[in-house]
Amino acid sequence: DVKVTQSSRYLVKRTGEKVFLECVQDMDHENMFWYRQDPGLGLRLIYFSYDVKMKEKGDIPEGYSVSREKKERFSLILESASTNQTSMYLCASSLGAGSNQPQHFGDGTRLSIL
Amino acid sequence: DQQVKQNSPSLSVQEGRISILNCDYTNSMFDYFLWYKKYPAEGPTFLISISSIKDKNEDGRFTVFLNKSAKHLSLHIVPSQPGDSAVYFCAASGITGFQKLVFGTGTRLLVSP
Repeated sequence: DVKVTQSSRYLVKRTGEKVFLECVQDMDHENMFWYRQDPGLGLRLIYFSYDVKMKEKGDIPEGYSVSREKKERFSLILESASTNQTSMYLCASSLGAGSNQPQHFGDGTRLSIL
Repeated sequence: DQQVKQNSPSLSVQEGRISILNCDYTNSMFDYFLWYKKYPAEGPTFLISISSIKDKNEDGRFTVFLNKSAKHLSLHIVPSQPGDSAVYFCAASGITGFQKLVFGTGTRLLVSP
């Protein structure tokens, strides 16, 4: 069974802080994704990565960056947290390109920026 | 611009009856469609998918129907159970090589005993 683990379930930070959200998957998946989920907006893609050290912008990358130094780990970084980044953050992973495979999600990190 | 739309924010059904959740899309390049179920405080769980070369895919109580000409898909749950109460997300992807998914806004299903 695929296991995607997000380091924190709940996180409270202050405006202007640099915030790190960590995600680890144990199935040797090539692709990893970061989404945020907000009421009435569904899941929106922030960044994704299809290989180590590779990254691509999603639909809402502003204010975020990512790091993928190892295949199993994908980090989301809020460079200078703002209150509009209060949200549920979801990490996902899937097998490599060329095959229709579902994405598998972690349980999410509920981040509050005060 | 919302490329994947779930126009019903909520649906209430009695236990044992059929639940039908609907999803519309606008991008004709989408060729792979998925349904996810999400309980509160958990991540979305993959439920069922369908490729554009099919018009129906079944897995136990869950069936997904795809109407490409109408750019419409639906998820049927028969019979519905109280444990099916959750938010259901429809998602779509095209051949980008990176399986980038576009999600709908979700439909909250409540199955009452």
